[in-house]
Amino acid sequence: KQEVTQIPAALSVPEGENLVLNCSFTDSAIYNLQWFRQDPGKGLTSLLLIQSSQREQTSGRLNASLDKSSGRSTLYIAASQPGDSATYLCAVRRGATNKLIFGTGTLLAVQP
Amino acid sequence: EAQVTQNPRYLITVTGKKLTVTCSQNMNHEYMSWYRQDPGLGLRQIYYSMNVEVTDKGDVPEGYKVSRKEKRNFPLILESPSPNQTSLYFCASSSGQAVMNTEAFFGQGTRLTVV
Repeated sequence: KQEVTQIPAALSVPEGENLVLNCSFTDSAIYNLQWFRQDPGKGLTSLLLIQSSQREQTSGRLNASLDKSSGRSTLYIAASQPGDSATYLCAVRRGATNKLIFGTGTLLAVQP
Repeated sequence: EAQVTQNPRYLITVTGKKLTVTCSQNMNHEYMSWYRQDPGLGLRQIYYSMNVEVTDKGDVPEGYKVSRKEKRNFPLILESPSPNQTSLYFCASSSGQAVMNTEAFFGQGTRLTVV
């Protein structure tokens, strides 16, 4: 059974710091991995999608990497800003059912 | 604009009163699904649909029904809501092809409280 874990559960950093969020999964047979951002009480916004054949994807200050063999992905946020404060979720897609299996998220607070 | 639209955004209801949460997508996606999000448990899939008239149970289907009569709509039905169904609900859609660049899009969520 696929399990997805995110560490740390919560993180507080001062503005301007570079930071890394971690996501690990137990079954490497995935189609892709998607990183989402969730603001309090709001929906999920897709940040980055990494296909299983890719090693990394970049969008602005965000860079996501994928190491399928070790079952790990990281989300790197450069020069963090207070507006980056949110919960970050990773999810892996497996099988023909297109099902997403989510981690429980990392709550990020960027202090001004 | 490509989007998944859920309604209502907030709903307070009483135990046993049937309700429907609507979901609509404008991306011509074959695959749609419903998730619930609870503190400490994360997001769990309730039901999914691979295409029109094709639905199947997810991980936590008890107490819920769905239908898929049209490609764009995928309503979630609670025939007799109970307090343990108080949760934040999300509808999602994606292309039906199980390929590596399939990306999921989510609605804004429906916060349901059953008293």
